[in-house]
Amino acid sequence: DTEVTQTPKHLVMGMTNKKSLKCEQHMGHRAMYWYKQKAKKPPELMFVYSYEKLSINESVPSRFSPECPNSSLLNLHLHALQPEDSALYLCASSQIPGTGGYEQYFGPGTRLTVT
Amino acid sequence: GQNIDQPTEMTATEGAIVQINCTYQTSGFNGLFWYQQHAGEAPTFLSYNVLDGLEEKGRFSSFLSRSKGYSYLLLKELQMKDSASYLCAVILNAGNNRKLIWGLGTSLAVNP
Repeated sequence: DTEVTQTPKHLVMGMTNKKSLKCEQHMGHRAMYWYKQKAKKPPELMFVYSYEKLSINESVPSRFSPECPNSSLLNLHLHALQPEDSALYLCASSQIPGTGGYEQYFGPGTRLTVT
Repeated sequence: GQNIDQPTEMTATEGAIVQINCTYQTSGFNGLFWYQQHAGEAPTFLSYNVLDGLEEKGRFSSFLSRSKGYSYLLLKELQMKDSASYLCAVILNAGNNRKLIWGLGTSLAVNP
């Protein structure tokens, strides 16, 4: 099973709403990632979790709050977003360096629109 | 700073061969990925190179020269479904973390 799943597929939210994006993988990967991608741009790294601990935060605004409840799940909590936060949010997972393959497997993404 | 360059757009004909180049200047190098991304979909892993040379996988091959900071993706027997964006990404490793630096992608159009 090389699948990363994400819910919801689409999300429309107002600037005062609170919502969460969810990501799940069952490949035994201990590194998980959140990316933001705008149209015709490459993915932009937001957060990296290694062994369920936050290891990289790419200076992401606090209105984005990641959470890794266990080794299979990754959440991204959203609050007081701005219209410019509208984008495709991608979750990915991989093995930890030195323990196996290096490739990151991506989920299908959540298309977020902030109104 | 980190810099990865790829051509913005390429066009090729169905059944032909196309080579997409990627050059990089990065502080540290722990390998290079090629990903394929169709519009509105997630990136899909194509290949990984960490040593110099050619890696072949079916219709796709990827080449790396670390001394030149250069890689290419070679697509043979092009099919219409190969029309997509192709992203080159360099791995910067820091302990247990893994960070990818991405090129802007090459949009490939395959024409009949």
